[in-house]
Amino acid sequence: KQEVTQIPAALSVPEGENLVLNCSFTDSAIYNLQWFRQDPGKGLTSLLLIQSSQREQTSGRLNASLDKSSGRSTLYIAASQPGDSATYLCAVTGNQFYFGTGTSLTVIP
Amino acid sequence: GAGVSQSPSNKVTEKGKDVELRCDPISGHTALYWYRQSLGQGLEFLIYFQGNSAPDKSGLPSDRFSAERTGGSVSTLTIQRTQQEDSAVYLCASSLGPAGQGAHEQYFGPGTRLTVT
Repeated sequence: KQEVTQIPAALSVPEGENLVLNCSFTDSAIYNLQWFRQDPGKGLTSLLLIQSSQREQTSGRLNASLDKSSGRSTLYIAASQPGDSATYLCAVTGNQFYFGTGTSLTVIP
Repeated sequence: GAGVSQSPSNKVTEKGKDVELRCDPISGHTALYWYRQSLGQGLEFLIYFQGNSAPDKSGLPSDRFSAERTGGSVSTLTIQRTQQEDSAVYLCASSLGPAGQGAHEQYFGPGTRLTVT
């Protein structure tokens, strides 16, 4: 069974720092990997989707990479802002969707 | 509508009562998913629909949980004889096609927060 792990579980950084969130998965037979953001008491908002044939995707200050063979993805956030504070979840798509437990990010003004 | 909607947004119920949670997926999305998120936990997969059929019910925690989907659109998740451990946020998502058939992005609703007292 696919297992998805996210490290660290929590991260606190000062505003303006660049940061990296990590996601690892045990089964490399995936169709894609998706990064989500979840604000307290809210649903999930899709940030980036990387197809299995791709290496990275970029959207604004966000860049996600995928190394399928090693079972890893990273989400890079440039010039962090307090509004980036949220929980970030990664999910891989195989026969169903498998989610990590998330990284709780706090950006301190 | 523009996105996935869920109702009610909050539900408080007494232990032993039945509850129904509703999900309206994005129009044209054939796949619909229910997840549960308990406080401080990750997302727990419950059930998946492709059209009106549920090929994967493996995540339903007990026979008190059931779900249906009609007209390839709206889905309801029913929890009978609720227990306190059922308290969680129930999230619904839809995608253009099922997970096992390619790179389909999931879109989530805002969730229903269920509290069983």
